[in-house]
Amino acid sequence: DAGVTQSPTHLIKTRGQQVTLRCSPISGHKSVSWYQQVLGQGPQFIFQYYEKEERGRGNFPDRFSARQFPNYSSELNVNALLLGDSALYLCASSWGSGLTNEKLFFGSGTQLSVL
Amino acid sequence: TQLLEQSPQFLSIQEGENLTVYCNSSSVFSSLQWYRQEPGEGPVLLVTVVTGGEVKKLKRLTFQFGDARKDSSLHITAAQPGDTGLYLCAGADYGGSQGNLIFGKGTKLSVKP
Repeated sequence: DAGVTQSPTHLIKTRGQQVTLRCSPISGHKSVSWYQQVLGQGPQFIFQYYEKEERGRGNFPDRFSARQFPNYSSELNVNALLLGDSALYLCASSWGSGLTNEKLFFGSGTQLSVL
Repeated sequence: TQLLEQSPQFLSIQEGENLTVYCNSSSVFSSLQWYRQEPGEGPVLLVTVVTGGEVKKLKRLTFQFGDARKDSSLHITAAQPGDTGLYLCAGADYGGSQGNLIFGKGTKLSVKP
């Protein structure tokens, strides 16, 4: 079975532009979470979606938004890009909403560079 | 704001040596996970510890959750070059979701042959 897939793998944008990142969870998984990992840091939680509803939001500005589709895939949108948005964006999926000790599976991420 | 402090930040050792990585917080977590991340890849879950005082072993890796559920350690015996990578601890808040984890900054381990 395929793991969590993310696209694109690499992306270069300029300041002020908008970007959309995509994630397909493992088949059967209903929850998708997004994390931002700046170089030299651990991942930081952005959003979690379960059954197409937002279940959690991290401390990120309103320029960041996300949604989950009926097939459980997800998109992360970032508007008005800043240099500080340059990071590895990770998507993780799990079967349930995560209230139990479920295993989280991460994709390989999208490396976003903002120039 | 809950924080997880990892130490050391960097560790460079020779093959065959033992090492311990620490993960500390002033907050209580419902569970704590350890991940290993290779360059250009996402983190891969190694273990989840749930009960205070719990010890789990995964081959040469031993994980411990503190009695008060505020800290954890990862001990590697006879490290091998294949153990090289970024080790991350992550905590799940009480009432929070496993999809919403708080990560430490990681320990970058390099094992030289």
